[in-house]
Amino acid sequence: DIVMTQTPLSLSVTPGQPASISCKSSQSLLHSDGKTYLYWYLQKPGQPPQLLIYEVSNRFSGVPDRFSGSGSGTDFTLKISRVEAEDVGVYYCMQSIQLPLTFGQGTRLEIK
Amino acid sequence: EVQLVESGGGLVQPGGSLRLSCAASGFTFSSYEMNWVRQAPGKGLEWVSYISSSGSTIYYADSVKGRFTISRDNAKNSLYLQMNSLRAEDTAVYYCVRGYMDVWGKGTTVTVSS
Repeated sequence: DIVMTQTPLSLSVTPGQPASISCKSSQSLLHSDGKTYLYWYLQKPGQPPQLLIYEVSNRFSGVPDRFSGSGSGTDFTLKISRVEAEDVGVYYCMQSIQLPLTFGQGTRLEIK
Repeated sequence: EVQLVESGGGLVQPGGSLRLSCAASGFTFSSYEMNWVRQAPGKGLEWVSYISSSGSTIYYADSVKGRFTISRDNAKNSLYLQMNSLRAEDTAVYYCVRGYMDVWGKGTTVTVSS
């Protein structure tokens, strides 16, 4: 199974300041089709996860442009350019290059 | 609007069974692979099972293999998860998720306890 490791596990950010979350996979997520199957989700309190970023850097429909994803191979980063109060929750990375699908442990973001 | 609505959760004793359902709407259900993902209380996300669009290809997590059965009825736009021999560690919110992992239902809660 591919192991997904996120750091940090918690983050406290002042509104308007940037935030960054790292995700490392135990194997490359680059598929032979040229795509890299790394996703980012935000789970707000009491809600199901919502897709933010797919295939490393593509923002899902309706996701604000303050969210961006980058990386390649086994190292990936989610960046929030200016954190807002509504960004509170737990962020997960996920790989879908092979089954079982596996998720990172989650990074809890709180507002200072 | 694309929507997934789970149902069928509840309280069940260890060793018991439950059947979860997921009703899909707003998209061509028969064209999409589907998954079940669960989340134990206060824990992270765990993939449970996958089914192809036709239902011909199925995979399970090792933790549920031999106990859970995924199925679908494309005529009814519905996904199912038959859960047998339930254990305390199966206690979780179960989410129905579209194959691209882009659309999630709100989840249904399964509690296994005596």
